[in-house]
Amino acid sequence: AQKVTQAQTEISVVEKEDVTLDCVYETRDTTYYLFWYKQPPSGELVFLIRRNSFDEQNEISGRYSWNFQKSTSSFNFTITASQVVDSAVYFCALSGYTGGFKTIFGAGTRLFVKA
Amino acid sequence: NAGVTQTPKFRVLKTGQSMTLLCAQDMNHEYMYWYRQDPGMGLRLIHYSVGEGTTAKGEVPDGYNVSRLKKQNFLLGLESAAPSQTSVYFCASSPVSGRGTDTQYFGPGTRLTVL
Repeated sequence: AQKVTQAQTEISVVEKEDVTLDCVYETRDTTYYLFWYKQPPSGELVFLIRRNSFDEQNEISGRYSWNFQKSTSSFNFTITASQVVDSAVYFCALSGYTGGFKTIFGAGTRLFVKA
Repeated sequence: NAGVTQTPKFRVLKTGQSMTLLCAQDMNHEYMYWYRQDPGMGLRLIHYSVGEGTTAKGEVPDGYNVSRLKKQNFLLGLESAAPSQTSVYFCASSPVSGRGTDTQYFGPGTRLTVL
């Protein structure tokens, strides 16, 4: 079975702090995809990143970075120098062959960034 | 390019009433999905479609039906609404990927309350 666990329900930080959102996944597939989505208070879901299982390179995009480690089945997301606009719910998701490539979402982590 | 649109944005139903949620996408995507989002549970897949005229059950299909008569539209129906179906419903679409699912693009959501 495929599963995505985001153990942190809520995180609260002060602006300019760095924060890491954890994501641990379970799958027996060798080919799979991992995603992060952002859901700001307005409610829409915004795609942030997609990573396939064959690419373990870390990725950096501005203040965002992602650390993919197959050895620990983790795909963690770090926001550097957080800003109030980063306040949102962040979802980690997994899509794999066994599930017919249907996407399984974690429960989400709500991030509060205080000014 | 409107992306993915959902109609209506809000709806209140009484138990036993029926309704249809409409999802439309103008990106010529093959795959379309219906999710529901409940507090603390992330997004759960209700039904999905891999092409015009085809539909399949997701994780939580009971109480819902879907139809994909046209490639750009994906309808979600509730035949006899129950309070347990109070939720936020998201539609998404994705293009065909050679190795499985690709990034999903989400609509703005429909907030449904069943009294």
